[in-house]
Amino acid sequence: QKEVEQDPGPLSVPEGAIVSLNCTYSNSAFQYFMWYRQYSRKGPELLMYTYSSGNKEDGRFTAQVDKSSKYISLFIRDSQPSDSATYLCAMSGTGRRALTFGSGTRLQVQP
Amino acid sequence: DTGVSQNPRHKITKRGQNVTFRCDPISEHNRLYWYRQTLGQGPEFLTYFQNEAQLEKSRLLSDRFSAERPKGSFSTLEIQRTEQGDSAMYLCASSSGEGGEQYFGPGTRLTVT
Repeated sequence: QKEVEQDPGPLSVPEGAIVSLNCTYSNSAFQYFMWYRQYSRKGPELLMYTYSSGNKEDGRFTAQVDKSSKYISLFIRDSQPSDSATYLCAMSGTGRRALTFGSGTRLQVQP
Repeated sequence: DTGVSQNPRHKITKRGQNVTFRCDPISEHNRLYWYRQTLGQGPEFLTYFQNEAQLEKSRLLSDRFSAERPKGSFSTLEIQRTEQGDSAMYLCASSSGEGGEQYFGPGTRLTVT
């Protein structure tokens, strides 16, 4: 079983919809949680960064971390066709700097 | 542009040849990471530098792989005697501080024929 599980999708939604992306993890040592967006054949782009539990909002994006359930989420409001990409969750623990990634969820926003 | 840069962007090589990739991190970042990503998967950690010191290596980093970061600036990743299973996207990232956000470069796509 992988340390970080993520539904690969694809997830197809109409333009303007609210998108919910999720990851579960098994390692209770994870403290830092990130969401990256990756377009085809490009490098991952950092969207959200959260330390420990709680919510963080940035524009149309909201990240939530529930450490008690080992569950993290990314919400995208008013989704746009330009949001069509693969979304990767990533996490790391104190004292270990390497990121452990999920396999990514492919999102398609239909105009 | 002050982001992470990687060269070359694409490399096609024959099995058995050696290849070398370069990464230039964000200038004020002292931490540099290499990852490998295959199709449909998330990036997998290969190795990590703090300044010029290589502090961690994944078991994925076989003896054919070597990485350096002379003077704590740019880094190189060399693969000797390439195999078809080495075909992947090689990603470099940099960060500053403990738990700092990692910023990725565009990657080098390696194809071994």
